[in-house]
Amino acid sequence: QKEVEQDPGPLSVPEGAIVSLNCTYSNSAFQYFMWYRQYSRKGPELLMYTYSSGNKEDGRFTAQVDKSSKYISLFIRDSQPSDSATYLCAMSSGGSNYKLTFGKGTLLTVNP
Amino acid sequence: DTAVSQTPKYLVTQMGNDKSIKCEQNLGHDTMYWYKQDSKKFLKIMFSYNNKELIINETVPNRFSPKSPDKAHLNLHINSLELGDSAVYFCASSQLTGPLEETQYFGPGTRLLVL
Repeated sequence: QKEVEQDPGPLSVPEGAIVSLNCTYSNSAFQYFMWYRQYSRKGPELLMYTYSSGNKEDGRFTAQVDKSSKYISLFIRDSQPSDSATYLCAMSSGGSNYKLTFGKGTLLTVNP
Repeated sequence: DTAVSQTPKYLVTQMGNDKSIKCEQNLGHDTMYWYKQDSKKFLKIMFSYNNKELIINETVPNRFSPKSPDKAHLNLHINSLELGDSAVYFCASSQLTGPLEETQYFGPGTRLLVL
């Protein structure tokens, strides 16, 4: 079993739809959770950062972490064509372990 | 101003050659990373340096050798290039003593194609 599992999609939705992206993980030591967005032929950029369990909201984006289920989600409300990108979840255990473990990424297309 | 920059952006070379990729960050961060992203978009850590000291060294062939001349630079030298080395290589940086110590900032990537 891979440490981080993420459905690669592709996911295609109409403009204005609510998008749900998810990752599951197996390492219970993970406590820092991130979502990165990567546009085609660009580097990943940090979208959301969450420590431990709970929700975090930033504009149209909401990140949720459920450590008991080892499950994290990213919700995008009122999706826009400019949201079309690959979304990568990433996580780490922190402390002296600086390594980020990434999911494979989900390719999202928002159609106008 | 580009926060994390890499050169070159594209690199096409023959099998067996030796090549280097350079990375520079102007964020004042103390830690830098090299990642490899394969054709399926899977992003995997290769190396990490904190204050010029190697702290992460994943299972990577000896042909790959990172070098950090100072905190702002991390270069990657690859010897005897193989077809399987074709990928996009990303440099990243972070500040391990800051409030968002896990946040990494990525460069634009270097697309390496080995023929």
